[in-house]
Amino acid sequence: QKEVEQNSGPLSVPEGAIASLNCTYSDRGSQSFFWYRQYSGKSPELIMFIYSNGDKEDGRFTAQLNKASQYVSLLIRDSQPSDSATYLCAVNRGNFGNEKLTFGTGTRLTIIP
Amino acid sequence: GAVVSQHPSWVICKSGTSVKIECRSLDFQATTMFWYRQFPKQSLMLMATSNEGSKATYEQGVEKDKFLINHASLTLSTLTVTSAHPEDSSFYICSATSMGFYGYTFGSGTRLTVV
Repeated sequence: QKEVEQNSGPLSVPEGAIASLNCTYSDRGSQSFFWYRQYSGKSPELIMFIYSNGDKEDGRFTAQLNKASQYVSLLIRDSQPSDSATYLCAVNRGNFGNEKLTFGTGTRLTIIP
Repeated sequence: GAVVSQHPSWVICKSGTSVKIECRSLDFQATTMFWYRQFPKQSLMLMATSNEGSKATYEQGVEKDKFLINHASLTLSTLTVTSAHPEDSSFYICSATSMGFYGYTFGSGTRLTVV
């Protein structure tokens, strides 16, 4: 079992709809979780992080964490063509504030105008 | 804040030569820097972790004599690909973090092509 698993996609979502990206992890002791966006040919950029069970909202993005089920998700509301990218889930293997991140393989998201 | 600069952004070199890639944290002191390699349509693969003043810790399968990492200061780490071969062609990305930071800040990446 991979440490961090994501559906590679591609995931196609109509413009204006909600895009839902999922990630599962194997290490039950993981403390914090991160979502990065990577445009083709570019390096990843941090979207948001979450460490408590439940939802965390930041603008159009909502991260959801369920430690009991070992999954973390990212919702993108009102999807825009500029959201088309690969989304990487990362799980912290170290202590919070001193992360050692393990990345999933990423989900490629395409927003259809 | 939290800007990481990586140079060069792209480089083409001949097989058998060496290439050095620099990674600098511009507005913070990075306690730890990481080097990743990414092949097309694949995820980030961690190559090594380096702490200032210490030897880098390499991931399994990464040749430490081929990929030389130096982290001489809290703001600079370098990756030297020695005796490069075409199979070393890839996108190399550094990232940096510090105590109290949330997540990593990535450099802009270096696309290496070995011909």
